[in-house]
Amino acid sequence: EADIYQTPRYLVIGTGKKITLECSQTMGHDKMYWYQQDPGMELHLIHYSYGVNSTEKGDLSSESTVSRIRTEHFPLTLESARPSHTSQYLCASTDRLNTEAFFGQGTRLTVV
Amino acid sequence: SQQGEEDPQALSIQEGENATMNCSYKTSINNLQWYRQNSGRGLVHLILIRSNEREKHSGRLRVTLDTSKKSSSLLITASRAADTASYFCAPLNFGNEKLTFGTGTRLTIIP
Repeated sequence: EADIYQTPRYLVIGTGKKITLECSQTMGHDKMYWYQQDPGMELHLIHYSYGVNSTEKGDLSSESTVSRIRTEHFPLTLESARPSHTSQYLCASTDRLNTEAFFGQGTRLTVV
Repeated sequence: SQQGEEDPQALSIQEGENATMNCSYKTSINNLQWYRQNSGRGLVHLILIRSNEREKHSGRLRVTLDTSKKSSSLLITASRAADTASYFCAPLNFGNEKLTFGTGTRLTIIP
């Protein structure tokens, strides 16, 4: 059983609102990732972190930001949500050697 | 970092048949992993094969790796309806590489 949690599971929010998607893991993993995925489409890496105070942008440009103040916590923030941000957001963590990635259940975000 | 390219993009087979999907990559690796994603959920790790291994088994799964051709295959034997999902490969080289994924193979098992 994966010990990585995402909240909320579903979120419907109005345009212009600020939102934070939470991701926490209890495995002590150094590496954490955020992916964006539209239904039936590929996963796009939008942010990753190799440890506390380390964050990098991924391959897909995103207006979201992330922080890594604690090893177990990797929240993603959208300062002003727009309909184009509607998507599923998946969080994952791995050990230093990437031997196995654990994924959260995902947050399905709808911006109206 | 590199991502694998899965082939075919979609595959439909009858329940009980075997399903084979392939993964190609471009640069050298030290391991390759396969993941499954059920509709709307997070990915689940299935199996890891190291670059010095040629074949690996786990239950009904059989993975092969050909480093000379830079390719891997995932075979699911005696398929079940529950195997309906998307399957992704992740070729990795050393521990500092980003974990990225391609478009996957969408497998549908017809009861």
